[in-house]
Amino acid sequence: GAGVSQSPSNKVTEKGKDVELRCDPISGHTALYWYRQSLGQGLEFLIYFQGNSAPDKSGLPSDRFSAERTGGSVSTLTIQRTQQEDSAVYLCASSNRGITYEQYFGPGTRLTVT
Amino acid sequence: RKEVEQDPGPFNVPEGATVAFNCTYSNSASQSFFWYRQDCRKEPKLLMSVYSSGNEDGRFTAQLNRASQYISLLIRDSKLSDSATYLCVVNMIGGSQGNLIFGKGTKLSVKP
Repeated sequence: GAGVSQSPSNKVTEKGKDVELRCDPISGHTALYWYRQSLGQGLEFLIYFQGNSAPDKSGLPSDRFSAERTGGSVSTLTIQRTQQEDSAVYLCASSNRGITYEQYFGPGTRLTVT
Repeated sequence: RKEVEQDPGPFNVPEGATVAFNCTYSNSASQSFFWYRQDCRKEPKLLMSVYSSGNEDGRFTAQLNRASQYISLLIRDSKLSDSATYLCVVNMIGGSQGNLIFGKGTKLSVKP
């Protein structure tokens, strides 16, 4: 079946602009996660959605970052007034949060802030 | 103590070698454990889950030691295509971050 998809695959934006990144999880997966990964670094957790529960936003680095998940499916990560340090690969993952918690990742969006 | 700790490597091994990675975790109540593989500039992909009794998938063997709170991954007969970063993942009971904690990864480079 279809995996996790993300768009755009690459985004170049000017400092100070807003960007929106989209994630389409695997159909039926109730949990959705956003991470970011800077070059050569590990995964940095950003936000987690589980069903209709309030999202866990504990990883968002600043109030310029926000995310929403509409209808329990597609999610959008928004970064306002982008800064150069926001440049990274933004990865989305989904899981069928049952017994195994296995996560399946999308290909990521490579964001470059100039 | 970090929640999930791995030796960053790099591990440089010749083709055909056997290589082992360890990962330690801090929460003794953790129940689910995984190894992911991440190729350069690609997303992480699930390699295998780790079961209490240990499990094997072809050349890959994963083991769990609950008493010492570590998991291991053994790769036999290394191939060039095994070159990647291997991420240890542990669930965190009652924690945030969606209950899954990723280690920073161990880099493996298999040389001809």
